[in-house]
Amino acid sequence: DTGVSQDPRHKITKRGQNVTFRCDPISEHNRLYWYRQTLGQGPEFLTYFQNEAQLEKSRLLSDRFSAERPKGSFSTLEIQRTEQGDSAMYLCASSFPSAREGGLTYNEQFFGPGTRLTVL
Amino acid sequence: AQSVTQLDSHVSVSEGTPVLLRCNYSSSYSPSLFWYVQHPNKGLQLLLKYTSAATLVKGINGFEAEFKKSETSFHLTKPSAHMSDAAEYFCVVRSGNTGKLIFGQGTTLQVKP
Repeated sequence: DTGVSQDPRHKITKRGQNVTFRCDPISEHNRLYWYRQTLGQGPEFLTYFQNEAQLEKSRLLSDRFSAERPKGSFSTLEIQRTEQGDSAMYLCASSFPSAREGGLTYNEQFFGPGTRLTVL
Repeated sequence: AQSVTQLDSHVSVSEGTPVLLRCNYSSSYSPSLFWYVQHPNKGLQLLLKYTSAATLVKGINGFEAEFKKSETSFHLTKPSAHMSDAAEYFCVVRSGNTGKLIFGQGTTLQVKP
């Protein structure tokens, strides 16, 4: 399977525990995005990387959240001291650039299956 | 700031009848717009995209969308609904240089036999 993969698919934890999720993008995709989707809502942007550089973080990403992409390939998202409000589906997506007149453009994002987090 | 508004949270159609899912967008420049579909317990899948080429965009599974600048709309249509079309549909706008996606609230499509 050459799509975006995420691990684990489900995580149940107790309030106050730390959790870490992993995302493996499609090979050669240099942009990687994290989104969060709560029940009945559309996904919301959290952060993104271009290669290993984290270029933008949403205000939704409190200081309990940290994301890394150390070698420009897979990425991890860690949540420290989880709260019940962190319960959500965490989605990862990747994309690649193509050349067009005036520079590069980034194509559509390919999404992984998500990690569903439940905080008790 | 860019945004999208999906005008219906829930749409119900009978199998074989047309589907219309409505989306309005707000953007200060020519937007890149997408429709994604999410089936239960499955990942988001791209249906179609508009990136300033043809205003009528054809996607997978018989879906189409028309970009209308004068109406700031990007409605999704399909001539004949199939049971397998039942899912959550998201209208999405891409934000500038970062490429981050801004999703609408979603429309649940129910297809009745």
